[in-house]
Order: sequence, then C-alpha cells, then structure tokens
Amino acid sequence: AQKITQTQPGMFVQEKEAVTLDCTYDTSDPSYGLFWYKQPSSGEMIFLIYQGSYDQQNATEGRYSLNFQKARKSANLVISASQLGDSAMYFCAMGFSGGSYIPTFGRGTSLIVHP
Amino acid sequence: DSGVTQTPKHLITATGQRVTLRCSPRSGDLSVYWYQQSLDQGLQFLIQYYNGEERAKGNILERFSAQQFPDLHSELNLSSLELGDSALYFCASSAGTPTGELFFGEGSRLTVL
Repeated sequence: AQKITQTQPGMFVQEKEAVTLDCTYDTSDPSYGLFWYKQPSSGEMIFLIYQGSYDQQNATEGRYSLNFQKARKSANLVISASQLGDSAMYFCAMGFSGGSYIPTFGRGTSLIVHP
Repeated sequence: DSGVTQTPKHLITATGQRVTLRCSPRSGDLSVYWYQQSLDQGLQFLIQYYNGEERAKGNILERFSAQQFPDLHSELNLSSLELGDSALYFCASSAGTPTGELFFGEGSRLTVL
C-alpha cells in the first residue's frame, strides 16, 4: 500500500527566505504522481504543483519547485522568497496514473512565515 | 476559485441526526471524490464517483452514503451522527488528466453536538 510521510509538523521561515518542506513516500507502483496542496486558515485546499514518476526534470510553478529524488523516494517542496501569505498547512499527496486513482495525503506541515 | 461548489459551508446538528452535503464539480469533470478531514485522522478518502457510478471506496462508514446524479453533482449523506463525525468534509473533482490533480471545494464544516 502507498504511504506518504511528512515528518515536520511545523516550520518557521523569515519573509523573503527560501524554505523546504519534506515529503517521503512509499509505493511499489512504478507509475505514480506526487502533488503538493496548500491549505490556508480559511480551509480550502489549493493545488500547487505536480511531479510524475517518469518526469526527468523537477517540476516548477512560479515560486514553488519540487525536489524529486526518486531513489530516495522523496518529493520535497521548495518555496522561494517566502511571503506572509504563504503561511498555511501544506500537504504532500501521492496518486497513480490510470485505473482507480485515489490520492493519499500526508499529515501536513504547518508553515509560518515571519515578517 | 477552484470551480467546485460545496453547500452548506457550515452545519451544526445533534447526535443521531442525518445531514446531506452537496457538491457541484467543475464544469466537465466526471470524477467526484469525498474526503473527511479531522485533527486526529488527517485527510481521509471516503468515496469516489465517476460519471454516476461508484468507482472506489475508502474509509467510509456504513452510516454514510453517497451518490452522483446525472447532472454530475454529488451528495454525501451522513446518518445517525456521532460526536466523532465532526469534521471538515471536502468534495473534489478531477478531469482525469494524466496529472490527475484534484480541485477541491471549500469544504463543509460539520459540528455534531
């Protein structure tokens, strides 16, 4: 069975600095997708970035990049130039391509950006 | 705005009661997922529908049921409510693209007293 682990319950970062949120996963399926979602205090879940298991390059979306290390089964989210609005819960998730696709979520990391 | 609409946003009810949560997916999305988010369990997958048919089942209690209608909106029915059912219930939809990302609604916060 697939498993997502986020070991950092909380992280703090200074505004304008970069921060890395850790995510490791476990699966025996060779084809999978990794996702990061942001959940602000208002509650909605916002999709940030996607990485496919066969993608050769790390995914980037604006200030978000995904440090994908397949051999280590890690998919860390890097947020560059942190902003106060980045303060939120961040969830790593894993799903599978094709068939019945059921994303599994980690427990999340709370990020607080200090001015 | 994700394009996924959930109602009601907040709901307070008593133990033993029954409630219905409603979800309208993004235009064109055939898949609807329901998730429950609680402090102790995290984000738990409940059930998935695809074009009106149940596709996959997760940790959904027998007291809970769901359906997807011909117009693709979905309802999650929670009955014989217990205190432990208090949670944020998310609906998400997917276009079934290779990236497979889910687009979430704002959630329905259920409080059982």
